[in-house]
Amino acid sequence: NAGVMQNPRHLVRRRGQEARLRCSPMKGHSHVYWYRQLPEEGLKFMVYLQKENIIDESGMPKERFSAEFPKEGPSILRIQQVVRGDSAAYFCASSPQTEDYGYTFGSGTRLTVV
Amino acid sequence: AQKVTQAQTEISVVEKEDVTLDCVYETRDTTYYLFWYKQPPSGELVFLIRRNSFDEQNEISGRYSWNFQKSTSSFNFTITASQVVDSAVYFCALREYGNKLVFGAGTILRVKS
Repeated sequence: NAGVMQNPRHLVRRRGQEARLRCSPMKGHSHVYWYRQLPEEGLKFMVYLQKENIIDESGMPKERFSAEFPKEGPSILRIQQVVRGDSAAYFCASSPQTEDYGYTFGSGTRLTVV
Repeated sequence: AQKVTQAQTEISVVEKEDVTLDCVYETRDTTYYLFWYKQPPSGELVFLIRRNSFDEQNEISGRYSWNFQKSTSSFNFTITASQVVDSAVYFCALREYGNKLVFGAGTILRVKS
C-alpha cells in the first residue's frame, strides 16, 4: 500500500470551496482509478484514467467533479464548490499496463466539508 | 450488471472462534476476478486475495481461507481462530473486463477478547 501515495490524508473544506486530491501511482503503473467511500458504505468507482486520457468516467457525478492524469505529475481529483454530501473517503488505486496484476490502493484522503 | 452482495452487515465473535464472511456475486461474463480487502480502523485498504474465474481451487493462507464456488456464485472467506487484530471491515469485490471494481457493502467484524 505504501507504493500509492495520496495526499493530503485529511482535508477540511468549507462549503463552496474547491478540494484537490492528489494521487501518485506506484512506480511503473500507468493506470489510475478513483473510488469514493461514503460514511458506512462500500467503495464506489468514480473514474479510470491512463496518462493524459480518461478511459471510463461512468461513476463521476455530472457536475463539479473532474479528474486528470497528466503526462508528468500526480493524478488530481478536483471537486468544485464542495457540499456537505461530498464528505467521504476518496481512494486512489493504480495498476500496471497488464491487467492481471490487480490493484494497489493508497491510504485514502478523508474529505470533510464543514 | 455486476453486483456483489455481502449479506452480513456485522458479525461479533469471541477470540479463537472461527468466522465465515459471505460474498455472493452476479456477472454475465465468463472471465472475471474476485477480490477480498480488509479495512482496519485506521482506514487503509489492505489487499487479501485475488482469484480469477477459471481457478476454483480453494486457498489457504495462514488462518485465512477462501472458498470459491462458481455453481453458487459465491466467494466466502473464513478466518480460523480469530484474533482481536482481525477486527475490521471486510470487502468483497468483483472485476469484469474494463478494469473497474464493484465492491460489496462490507461486513464489519468485531472480535472480542
